Amino acid sequence: GAVVSQHPSRVICKSGTSVKIECRSLDFQATTMFWYRQFPKQSLMLMATSNEGSKATYEQGVEKDKFLINHASLTLSTLTVTSAHPEDSSFYICSAEGLAAPYEQYFGPGTRLTVT
Amino acid sequence: AQSVTQPDIHITVSEGASLELRCNYSYGATPYLFWYVQSPGQGLQLLLKYFSGDTLVQGIKGFEAEFKRSQSSFNLRKPSVHWSDAAEYFCAVGAYAGKSTFGDGTTLTVKP
Repeated sequence: GAVVSQHPSRVICKSGTSVKIECRSLDFQATTMFWYRQFPKQSLMLMATSNEGSKATYEQGVEKDKFLINHASLTLSTLTVTSAHPEDSSFYICSAEGLAAPYEQYFGPGTRLTVT
Repeated sequence: AQSVTQPDIHITVSEGASLELRCNYSYGATPYLFWYVQSPGQGLQLLLKYFSGDTLVQGIKGFEAEFKRSQSSFNLRKPSVHWSDAAEYFCAVGAYAGKSTFGDGTTLTVKP
């Protein structure tokens, strides 16, 4: 149980285009989902926290207009990188916190974004 | 502010040898502490967590960790390492799981 999926696993897009990443909790309802960014050989940086049906809370320094987060249901959150640039290339990981275990988060497998 | 320090960037151990990965934290109250493992190109998997109670916690894959409040430490241990344990290990501290702060990670290499 407690499986989180992400789609796509890898995406390459051209500079100036937008790309959407989906995060789904497959076998539980996620009250809260989190989006992280991870640079090579570095730790995870929390970008934003999203609760179902409400606006996401962004961490300091994260551009909310560039990284659009939607949490439309208890099993799906999406991250859209708008007008992507090469510096947005990174590994994006989502996690979900369930109703049953509010102090545990389950991570998706990550999405490798490359902007050319 | 909360912070986590993993002093060892890279550790190499021989298969079958014991392992200890260090984690020191800074937090104003009693913390929630976590250890995660990340295989290359993958997300994170929770190994174990400490919220309260017994300071020695058991996790999956034969790992354990000990919370020492006096030393602000939460070191991860395994008595006998397997080649499949080679991965990146992250310690995290926070008020709850989602608002955790992660350490920079320790890369574990296992020699045959």
